[in-house]
Amino acid sequence: DTAVSQTPKYLVTQMGNDKSIKCEQNLGHDTMYWYKQDSKKFLKIMFSYNNKELIINETVPNRFSPKSPDKAHLNLHINSLELGDSAVYFCASSQGLAGDYEQYFGPGTRLTVT
Amino acid sequence: DQQVKQNSPSLSVQEGRISILNCDYTNSMFDYFLWYKKYPAEGPTFLISISSIKDKNEDGRFTVFLNKSAKHLSLHIVPSQPGDSAVYFCAASGRSTNAGKSTFGDGTTLTVKP
Repeated sequence: DTAVSQTPKYLVTQMGNDKSIKCEQNLGHDTMYWYKQDSKKFLKIMFSYNNKELIINETVPNRFSPKSPDKAHLNLHINSLELGDSAVYFCASSQGLAGDYEQYFGPGTRLTVT
Repeated sequence: DQQVKQNSPSLSVQEGRISILNCDYTNSMFDYFLWYKKYPAEGPTFLISISSIKDKNEDGRFTVFLNKSAKHLSLHIVPSQPGDSAVYFCAASGRSTNAGKSTFGDGTTLTVKP
């Protein structure tokens, strides 16, 4: 029974397109995150939500818009895709906002923009 | 400005020996540290953590050491097993600040040879 799931696992698209990645957690957690892992393997936080409220927005371009319809879901919509958006995107959740809660990660979505 | 650094991109050890993975940080506000393990095509999974009020935390074969004055932590795996082969990320957070944001290092790939 998957704790944090993401769809799709792979996404290949052309520059200029708009795409969405969905994330769901069944852990009952209050906090959810989106991370981007670039080609250098560096995991960088993009957004965090707590109880559907945006908490962290790490200077991500406006083309990226997270949406949290409820506590269990945090989707990521990307407009006007660019080559530099190619990366692996990880969704994660944690019990709360405090920094000492470990995060549970989804399997990742590999986005390739051509 | 990379606040959490793992200076060794890779480490290779023999099965049964000790693996030592290192991590350095620059932000003195960090007071909680976590290690995650990542297999290919999967998301990171939490391994072990340590609070800044401690200098050591042990969980089975895994021990994390924290040297606050040097802003350095290390993960020891004893004895190492082939199944430990993975990418290891250290992460740091401030419990009372950063709203749950964990800053990740760029990972060390551990290979344990049978």
